Amino acid sequence: AQSVSQHNHHVILSEAASLELGCNYSYGGTVNLFWYVQYPGQHLQLLLKYFSGDPLVKGIKGFEAEFIKSKFSFNLRKPSVQWSDTAEYFCAAQSYNTDKLIFGTGTRLQVFP
Amino acid sequence: KAGVTQTPRYLIKTRGQQVTLSCSPISGHRSVSWYQQTPGQGLQFLFEYFSETQRNKGNFPGRFSGRQFSNSRSEMNVSTLELGDSALYLCASSLAARGRQNTGELFFGEGSRLTVL
Repeated sequence: AQSVSQHNHHVILSEAASLELGCNYSYGGTVNLFWYVQYPGQHLQLLLKYFSGDPLVKGIKGFEAEFIKSKFSFNLRKPSVQWSDTAEYFCAAQSYNTDKLIFGTGTRLQVFP
Repeated sequence: KAGVTQTPRYLIKTRGQQVTLSCSPISGHRSVSWYQQTPGQGLQFLFEYFSETQRNKGNFPGRFSGRQFSNSRSEMNVSTLELGDSALYLCASSLAARGRQNTGELFFGEGSRLTVL
């Protein structure tokens, strides 16, 4: 069955620290991969997505993610976080065949000034 | 362009009751998906409707049901409510063309927060 795992449940960083959030998906076929973000009090919104091509994708606000097919991973990175990056981050995988979009359990990021 | 609208935003029910939640997608979007969000569980997929047909379904019991109308608006119903049904129920819409044409991006509403006492 299709599933998405996020290993970091809660991450606490100081401003300017580097960020890497892990995401692994379990699905044998072709998938589209996404990172969504939910800022406090706001609705979920798309951060970045990977469909095909260059495995390093860039999103909004300086975020990027790398698709490593051999590891079934799509980790999210940011070289230098800001206090405004405090939010919950969700990785998601969508099956090419069914279009079903499955989310991970989320990672809560807290950034302290 | 108006976003995804969910009503009601908050509601309190007691065990055994039933509830109906409504979702109006972005104009032109034909797919509506429903998710249950709880702390520690993330977003659990309930079902997806496309052109009034249920296209995908998650692993929830039959107490959870939904439907989509010809104008793409969708409702989900939970019958015989249990304490564990307390959650934020999110609706998301998308253009949802098939396969490679599928942009995949979901646009989420702010959710309906259900509390079951």
